[in-house]
Amino acid sequence: ETGVTQTPRHLVMGMTNKKSLKCEQHLGHNAMYWYKQSAKKPLELMFVYSLEERVENNSVPSRFSPECPNSSHLFLHLHTLQPEDSALYLCASSLELETAPKRYEQYFGPGTRLTVT
Amino acid sequence: GQQVMQIPQYQHVQEGEDFTTYCNSSTTLSNIQWYKQRPGGHPVFLIQLVKSGEVKKQKRLTFQFGEAKKNSSLHITATQTTDVGTYFCAGISGTYKYIFGTGTRLKVLA
Repeated sequence: ETGVTQTPRHLVMGMTNKKSLKCEQHLGHNAMYWYKQSAKKPLELMFVYSLEERVENNSVPSRFSPECPNSSHLFLHLHTLQPEDSALYLCASSLELETAPKRYEQYFGPGTRLTVT
Repeated sequence: GQQVMQIPQYQHVQEGEDFTTYCNSSTTLSNIQWYKQRPGGHPVFLIQLVKSGEVKKQKRLTFQFGEAKKNSSLHITATQTTDVGTYFCAGISGTYKYIFGTGTRLKVLA
């Protein structure tokens, strides 16, 4: 148990559905991240939040909409997804944002396995 | 854009054999981190390397950061079945952007 929880663990949705993924961290961290992990591809950083403020939007399609109401919670709102969006969505947190010279390891949640039909 | 490649993609070894995965970046990194992801699991942080030429050990695992800070390696001595999983390096260049490597999936045959 890493102190980062994600719900739901599995989600099947149609292309016209709207759903949300939830992430919660109990570590007192100030930075939170969303990653997409597809088969045979490296982990792709999607969004980065620091103290509830978005600092990175890595050219992610607008059908993915993040929300960070406080430093412990992170959501990923999904709508009109495509089958190629099927993947494992991982949330992570770190003590602070990575800025030189200090670097912090990331703690990952168990992920949400998303299937778009 | 910046890329971090790992080789090999897959490695099957007999239990007791050694294993090495290599991580190569297209640009100089300020530091590098290694993560392990068990099958069906999530990445778990192993170690961070910061200095040029740095070598760190964790029991049977040896991590190395290249002199030019563009490559790194993870070596496991005498693999065990518990070592099964995918090993990722994550390079950090500039600010907070982690660039994860493609990963090396290790299978250990008993």
